[in-house]
Amino acid sequence: ELKVEQNPLFLSMQEGKNYTIYCNYSTTSDRLYWYRQDPGKSLESLFVLLSNGAVKQEGRLMASLDTKARLSTLHITAAVHDLSATYFCAVDSIGNQFYFGTGTSLTVIP
Amino acid sequence: EAGVAQSPRYKIIEKRQSVAFWCNPISGHATLYWYQQILGQGPKLLIQFQNNGVVDDSQLPKDRFSAERLKGVDSTLKIQPAKLEDSAVYLCASSFGLAGGLLGLAKNIQYFGAGTRLSVL
Repeated sequence: ELKVEQNPLFLSMQEGKNYTIYCNYSTTSDRLYWYRQDPGKSLESLFVLLSNGAVKQEGRLMASLDTKARLSTLHITAAVHDLSATYFCAVDSIGNQFYFGTGTSLTVIP
Repeated sequence: EAGVAQSPRYKIIEKRQSVAFWCNPISGHATLYWYQQILGQGPKLLIQFQNNGVVDDSQLPKDRFSAERLKGVDSTLKIQPAKLEDSAVYLCASSFGLAGGLLGLAKNIQYFGAGTRLSVL
């Protein structure tokens, strides 16, 4: 079974600071997704990454993919309170299966 | 564009009772997914349909869980009988294409419903 691990699981950071969330996966895949989930709400798609070296940016969030290392990163620049949420990465395997990571709960402190 | 609709939003039942959840995907989306999200964890795929056929149900506990999508649109997920460990949020998602498929990425993005929160007492 494909394993998708994120770290850290919990992240508390001050507004204005930068930080990176890491997503490691255990099998070959060239598609990686990042989702955001607010408390009590459903998941919202943030980024879709295809192929090695892909980079996507939206506002203060930037995601990248290294398929050789089986690693994706979600970088947060100058965090603001509105970014507080749980962030999930998900991998789309060759066998048409979709696996989510463990999630990173982000709290941005004013 | 209407999103993925799910009902009910909340359900409380006693163990050994039965429960059913309903999902209406985004119009035109061929692929429908049911996930189980236990508190503090990522969603776990239970079953995946393309149109009215099952693509993957390898993680569905088939002794108590069943799902159908008879006309290739709406879907129901049933638990019979429920156990305490079934307490979770059940999420339905849909996409135009199939996860891992050959369509452009945008068509494989999954759009999620608000979920049904199940509490088994």
